Amino acid sequence: AIQLTQSPSSLSTSVGDRVTITCRASQVMTSTLAWYQQKPGKSPKFLISHASSLDDGVPSRFSVSESGTDFTLTISSLQPEDFGTYYCQQFDSYPLSFGGGTKVEI
Amino acid sequence: EVQLVESGGGLVKPGGSLRLSCAASGFGLGNYSMDWVRQAPGKGLEWVASISSGGGYIYYADSVKGRFIISRDNAKNSVSLQMKSLRVEDTAVYYCAREGYGSGPTEFDYWGQGTLVTVSS
Repeated sequence: AIQLTQSPSSLSTSVGDRVTITCRASQVMTSTLAWYQQKPGKSPKFLISHASSLDDGVPSRFSVSESGTDFTLTISSLQPEDFGTYYCQQFDSYPLSFGGGTKVEI
Repeated sequence: EVQLVESGGGLVKPGGSLRLSCAASGFGLGNYSMDWVRQAPGKGLEWVASISSGGGYIYYADSVKGRFIISRDNAKNSVSLQMKSLRVEDTAVYYCAREGYGSGPTEFDYWGQGTLVTVSS
């Protein structure tokens, strides 16, 4: 089973900051990783997949990159509405799995 | 507009059973794999089960294998999760999620609002 380790688990930032969240997979995957944003009391929302482009309506300040087993979500200029918890998820193989989450506080 | 609406959650005693339903609308359910994902209070997301578009391929997390059964009725635009032998650790909000179009597992592009299952004596 593929395990995903997200870092950091939380971060406190300011509007306009560049934010980077990393998801490390326990084995090599072929771009089969997605990112979700969840706000308190709400359902997760699909943001972006390494296998495709941004979901419709997702601002271009969100981008992804990968290097080996490390996958990175970058928010180029943090906006007030970007607070919440971010999760990575692999869909390379079953059992599907999520990272532990990164709480972004502003 | 794609909509997924879960129902069937509630309070159940350990060892009990519960059936969750997910009503899908705004898209052709028969073209998509569907999943259940859960989130224990204050915790992260945990994938539970997947069922392929035609129902021929089914996968479960080890934590629920042998106790939960995922099924679908494309004609009725619904997906279900039958849960048996429930444990306290099954307490969570259960989300129905649609996988993106394509063969093999893909990202979850739409999620329902969730239904809370509480297992407690």
